[in-house]
Formats: sequence, structure tokens, C-alpha cells
Amino acid sequence: GQQVMQIPQYQHVQEGEDFTTYCNSSTTLSNIQWYKQRPGGHPVFLIQLVKSGEVKKQKRLTFQFGEAKKNSSLHITATQTTDVGTYFCAHGSSNTGKLIFGQGTTLQVKP
Amino acid sequence: DTGVSQDPRHKITKRGQNVTFRCDPISEHNRLYWYRQTLGQGPEFLTYFQNEAQLEKSRLLSDRFSAERPKGSFSTLEIQRTEQGDSAMYLCASSLPLAGEGTDTQYFGPGTRLTVL
Repeated sequence: GQQVMQIPQYQHVQEGEDFTTYCNSSTTLSNIQWYKQRPGGHPVFLIQLVKSGEVKKQKRLTFQFGEAKKNSSLHITATQTTDVGTYFCAHGSSNTGKLIFGQGTTLQVKP
Repeated sequence: DTGVSQDPRHKITKRGQNVTFRCDPISEHNRLYWYRQTLGQGPEFLTYFQNEAQLEKSRLLSDRFSAERPKGSFSTLEIQRTEQGDSAMYLCASSLPLAGEGTDTQYFGPGTRLTVL
């Protein structure tokens, strides 16, 4: 089945620095979703990308879907302590909706 | 609160015991999913219901695991003869099928953390 690989596993940044996490697949993805999980919390939906080369922004967060629809990235500009958590990419089945998650990138922000 | 709820939030049991978890989805959502998450990993799909029908089960779901959604509303996940390897967070999510491009947005519950001693 389709798998998504995510790097890096961990990232420690100083508050105000930028952060990027990358998601890669060996096969073409029909969509990619991004979720955030705060420490001790549950995954919360951030965004879905479906079009080749798509770029979407949410305040300081920028999401990209590659031209070949095999990779995606999440970039956070000027991180804040509220950005702490684990960011997951996931591919959703078009038929059933079930999600295949990447391993996640855990972001720590030092104030 | 109209989100997804799960009960109990924490469960500690001894190896060999049976446990049952409950999930109450968002009321108008007809799709319901169970996932398992271990430390440092992303959630892994276990099973999926559309209304009361269980339409897909992962190979991760051994015959000790059974899930039901009898009236198409709440769901239960039972683990029989628990093993230490079953220790994990069990997450439930619900959604509405999406019309158009892409796939459903899933809303996750707070999870049930199972510890098997």
C-alpha cells in the first residue's frame, strides 16, 4: 500500500526561527493532509492539498504539494512556543477516507 | 461539546484480561475509524465503519480485536486476552464523505490510553 515518509523526526528551534517538515512518497498521491498533535493531545486537522504544485497559507504556516504529487512540505515562519507539537502528513483513501500517516515531526521551540 | 468523545480516557489492565473502549462520533458523521498510536509513531489504521457496516479491517487487527457499531452511531472496540504489546493510545475519528476532490476531514477523539501490565 501507499506509504508516506516524513523527515526530520525531531526539530529543536529557537523561538522566532523558521521550521520545515517534509513528506515523501514513492507513488503519486491523490491528496495529502496535515495534522497537528499537541503533547498529550490528539491529531487536529490543519489542511488538505489535492492539486499538483498547490500552495496554501494559514497565517505563518505554508503548505506545498509537489508538482509530481509525491511530496509535500509544511513551513512555519517565525516559530512561537504555541507551535510546539508533532506535525503529521497523511494520505487519505479516496474510497474509504482512511488515513495513512507519516511518522511525524516533533517540533520543540525554545523561548 | 459536540466533538468526538471516547471512554475511558485511561485503562490499566493485567495481561490476559479483556477490555472494551467506546467512541461517540460527531452525531451527523456516518464514517467512523479506529486507529492505534504508539509513542513516537503516527496513528495506524485499524478499522472503518460506514454507518453500521464494518467495511475495512487492517491486518494489524488480530482475531483478539473486534469492533462494532450496532446502530450506526457509537462504536466499541474490544480487545480479548490483552498482551503487553497492545499498550498504546487507541484513537477514534469520525467524518462525512467529501463530495469532490480529496477525501474526508477526520475529527479525532481524545483517545483511550491502554496500559497492559
